[in-house]
Amino acid sequence: AQSVAQPEDQVNVAEGNPLTVKCTYSVSGNPYLFWYVQYPNRGLQFLLKYITGDNLVKGSYGFEAEFNKSQTSFHLKKPSALVSDSALYFCAVRDGDYKLSFGAGTTVTVRA
Amino acid sequence: DAGVIQSPRHEVTEMGQEVTLRCKPISGHNSLFWYRQTMMRGLELLIYFNNNVPIDDSGMPEDRFSAKMPNASFSTLKIQPSEPRDSAVYFCASSLGAGQGLQPQHFGDGTRLSIL
Repeated sequence: AQSVAQPEDQVNVAEGNPLTVKCTYSVSGNPYLFWYVQYPNRGLQFLLKYITGDNLVKGSYGFEAEFNKSQTSFHLKKPSALVSDSALYFCAVRDGDYKLSFGAGTTVTVRA
Repeated sequence: DAGVIQSPRHEVTEMGQEVTLRCKPISGHNSLFWYRQTMMRGLELLIYFNNNVPIDDSGMPEDRFSAKMPNASFSTLKIQPSEPRDSAVYFCASSLGAGQGLQPQHFGDGTRLSIL
């Protein structure tokens, strides 16, 4: 089965600083990777996906992610974090024809 | 455009009662997913429908859980009888062409279920 791991339960950064949320994957075959964000009392919102092509994927709200095949990583990044970016972030990988396997999530706190 | 709509947003009921959760997917989406989210187990896929047909219900925890999709615009998840360990947030999600697994899933805001 395909899987992802998010090694950090929490990430804390100051507003205006770069934000990185880490994700590593384990797949057989080509990886199809996704990032979602969940704000309190809301459902998951799609941020971006990597299917093929450029290793740097741009998504919503100024987020981007870098696919690194040699390190089997797909880290989410934002150059300048906002307080409003505080949320729970999930990395996911396609597992089979329709399933998504989600990581455990990383709580991001951006302090003013 | 309206997103995925779930109702109720919150449900508190006593053990043994029947609980019905409702979902209206995004119009035109042909795939529908029910998930459960808990602190201990994270996000779990309960059941997947494609074109209103249940394709994979291997995540349904036990016979007390059932799900239906009578048409393209409505699905229900029912728990009967409910137990305290069913307390969780239940999400419905829909997508286009999930058979290829490349389209993003769009989530509703969930139903927070508390079984006393």
